[in-house]
Amino acid sequence: EAQVTQNPRYLITVTGKKLTVTCSQNMNHEYMSWYRQDPGLGLRQIYYSMNVEVTDKGDVPEGYKVSRKEKRNFPLILESPSPNQTSLYFCASRWSGSPLHFGNGTRLTVT
Amino acid sequence: AQSVTQLDSQVPVFEEAPVELRCNYSSSVSVYLFWYVQYPNQGLQLLLKYLSGSTLVKGINGFEAEFNKSQTSFHLRKPSVHISDTAEYFCAVSNQGAQKLVFGQGTRLTINP
Repeated sequence: EAQVTQNPRYLITVTGKKLTVTCSQNMNHEYMSWYRQDPGLGLRQIYYSMNVEVTDKGDVPEGYKVSRKEKRNFPLILESPSPNQTSLYFCASRWSGSPLHFGNGTRLTVT
Repeated sequence: AQSVTQLDSQVPVFEEAPVELRCNYSSSVSVYLFWYVQYPNQGLQLLLKYLSGSTLVKGINGFEAEFNKSQTSFHLRKPSVHISDTAEYFCAVSNQGAQKLVFGQGTRLTINP
């Protein structure tokens, strides 16, 4: 089954404790992206990747890092999480020119 | 730069009534337009898309949308809603040939029996 898989689904952590949210897709998509969803703000892009070893900032990249060492994986790294990064995070992927496929989301709470 | 405005944050309707969710966009170039639906505790699913051609686009679950270039709108409609349509709906736009997808703020559709 074609899918984008994120882990974990839920995560509660404390300020400053490094964490990684994983994202994997099995559709051989070149393009992958991370979004955060906040009430009243819709989805805002954090980082995206056009292909292996090619990443770029989206609209709200501060406090986040990504890497794309393999085509299927695009982890999101928070080196020192803060409470304002409490949010619902989505990973997505697609072929060029086709609609995005989304994962089921990761709800992160930073206390 | 593109932007998307969904004019209603919440829309309550009765079951079997028609509904319209409004979306306006701004862009200086030709665009692709999308509607996504998010059911509770799930990711986003594509409802429909406009890439080119006919301005009336039909999607899944009986939804349709009309691209109006002069009014820069892409409103979503359904003639008769069901309880199962309760969800949040997002309008999104991208420039043709560009990779970035810009989302609106979302409209929460609530269906009352």
